[in-house]
Amino acid sequence: QSALTQPASVSGSPGQSITISCTGTSSDVGGYNYVSWYQQHPGKAPKLMIYDVSNRPSGVPDRFSGSKSGNTASLTISGLQAEDEADYYCSSYTSSSTLVFGGGTKLTVL
Amino acid sequence: QVQLVESGGGVVQPGRSLRLSCAASGFTFSNYAMHWVRQAPGKGLEWVAVIWYDGSNKYYADSVKGRLTISRDNSKNTLYLQMNSLRAEDTAVYYCARDALDYPIGWYFDLWGRGTLVTVSS
Repeated sequence: QSALTQPASVSGSPGQSITISCTGTSSDVGGYNYVSWYQQHPGKAPKLMIYDVSNRPSGVPDRFSGSKSGNTASLTISGLQAEDEADYYCSSYTSSSTLVFGGGTKLTVL
Repeated sequence: QVQLVESGGGVVQPGRSLRLSCAASGFTFSNYAMHWVRQAPGKGLEWVAVIWYDGSNKYYADSVKGRLTISRDNSKNTLYLQMNSLRAEDTAVYYCARDALDYPIGWYFDLWGRGTLVTVSS
């Protein structure tokens, strides 16, 4: 159950777009459409941003979008805002009937 | 309101045991699978375990299999995590989280508690 691979950090200026990648294997990301993304501000519980690769829960701005190609999933945030600065984690169901998270990506809004 | 509240964390010596609880309110607890997720200080999220809505199935991360046990009491709207043979690497904030679907489960979490800190240290 190795963690999914995410970049440690990404940054962007307000109004710009950024993309965070999440790379796994055919036993997790590539094998199922059960990829989710969470946002976590310091000292807070995570918040669901994307589920089933590309679906947004109600209340999540449409600036947030998700996609997948092969063994890599991606989270794109367009029109960056200051409040988007946070840690982001991907997760995926695995062939072992478990869940694995990515190592997390710190987003800095310059 | 709809919420999850964890309790039972604290400081415990290596090798000892601890039981965490997660009290659910504001929704029909017995309809949902529930998970435990942990986060070591300054580190990322790690999924720990899941239990089906009726307790019929349980799955664990390899790192905790055989030492941590997830259970639930639907009559008390409470989720548990029995932690035995604790190690320093079990030190983390432990979150309970609600699976967004009833059955089949969705493997994503739409409701989280605030977490309870477990520190394993001599």
